[in-house]
Amino acid sequence: QSVLTQPPSVSGAPGQRVTISCTGSSSNIGAGYDVHWYQQLPGTAPKLLIYGNSNRPSGVPDRFSGSKSGTSASLAITGLQAEDEADYYCQSYDSSLDYVFGTGTKVTVL
Amino acid sequence: EVQLVESGGGLVQPGGSLRLSCAASGFTFSSYEMNWVRQAPGKGLEWVSYISSSGSTIYYADSVKGRFTISRDNAKNSLYLQMNSLRAEDTAVYYCARISKKYYYYYMDVWGKGTTVTVSS
Repeated sequence: QSVLTQPPSVSGAPGQRVTISCTGSSSNIGAGYDVHWYQQLPGTAPKLLIYGNSNRPSGVPDRFSGSKSGTSASLAITGLQAEDEADYYCQSYDSSLDYVFGTGTKVTVL
Repeated sequence: EVQLVESGGGLVQPGGSLRLSCAASGFTFSSYEMNWVRQAPGKGLEWVSYISSSGSTIYYADSVKGRFTISRDNAKNSLYLQMNSLRAEDTAVYYCARISKKYYYYYMDVWGKGTTVTVSS
């Protein structure tokens, strides 16, 4: 059971900006635990996209950015490209449930 | 090349057992904490179990507590998941993932390709 809520889907035209929200509670994001984001291309394993709320691992384009405020976090993709079509998951830590993932968001490039 | 390769998945009847393995290469396995994460068909990611670098600290998701056992052999660069009393709802792709630390952030930065477990009669 996911305790972090994400919109099921978001879409945008190439070049546009899209954002994905990740809403938690006072026992996870709101408790100060960090948020990480993963990208899962169709038929592949998840890949780390953002760690520590807003940090990009080496090799991740700067089109991807993350932020966190209160009990929520967001992932933004600017200059949307066809190759960004994938599922995106936020992940944090919950004081009672250990590691927790978001419900997942499918990004469609129109 | 840093790599994780899972194996051991397959078709098993409800109530049966399976042992998954995860072979690590390209990094000092004994220095890293590890997770098992699963994904049911068409569903999202679900954390399953955690083990510290030495194996002394272990955590489980409530959904598998008492049925699954995580372990590791640092001499063999391998992570394991013993799954007993399997249920249909355990059907999923099982991924092993390395936990890395930077500053005070802990995140899963390397993932295997996964191994598929199907529980069905």
